[in-house]
Amino acid sequence: QKEVEQDPGPLSVPEGAIVSLNCTYSNSAFQYFMWYRQYSRKGPELLMYTYSSGNKEDGRFTAQVDKSSKYISLFIRDSQPSDSATYLCAMTGSGNTPLVFGKGTRLSVIA
Amino acid sequence: DAGITQSPRHKVTETGTPVTLRCHQTENHRYMYWYRQDPGHGLRLIHYSYGVKDTDKGEVSDGYSVSRSKTEDFLLTLESATSSQTSVYFCAISESKRSSYNEQFFGPGTRLTVL
Repeated sequence: QKEVEQDPGPLSVPEGAIVSLNCTYSNSAFQYFMWYRQYSRKGPELLMYTYSSGNKEDGRFTAQVDKSSKYISLFIRDSQPSDSATYLCAMTGSGNTPLVFGKGTRLSVIA
Repeated sequence: DAGITQSPRHKVTETGTPVTLRCHQTENHRYMYWYRQDPGHGLRLIHYSYGVKDTDKGEVSDGYSVSRSKTEDFLLTLESATSSQTSVYFCAISESKRSSYNEQFFGPGTRLTVL
């Protein structure tokens, strides 16, 4: 079993929908949880970062971490066509250890 | 955008030939990483560096070597390219902060095709 599991999709939603993206993981040592967004033919860019359990909100985006269930989520409210991208979850146990990435979920928001 | 460039951006080569990809940063960050990205596998770490001449292996290091003789440059070498190394290669950098997560900044990628 891979350390981080993420449904690759693709996921297609209408504009304005609420989008839920999820990852599960097996390594209980993970403490730092990230969501990266990657547009087609571009490098990933950091979207959200959460330390340990809890929620974090940034505009239309909310990241949730449930360490007891080893489950993280990214919610996108009022989704826009510009949100169409691949979303990758990533996590690590400490600040300087390499990230472990999920496979990424491809999202299309249809106008 | 973080100052990261990768060269070449695209390369087509033949099986058995050596290939070197270059990552150059202007941010003076301590950590540099090489990833490959393939459909169905996501991003996988090949090698990383935590300082000049200090490198370590990642998840998929077989068939690859790296060198870092200067802070700003991190080279990835395929000694004898194989078709299984056809992929998109990303370089990333991060700063060193013991007490918190270090955001990784990614370069634009190099698309390598091995025929």
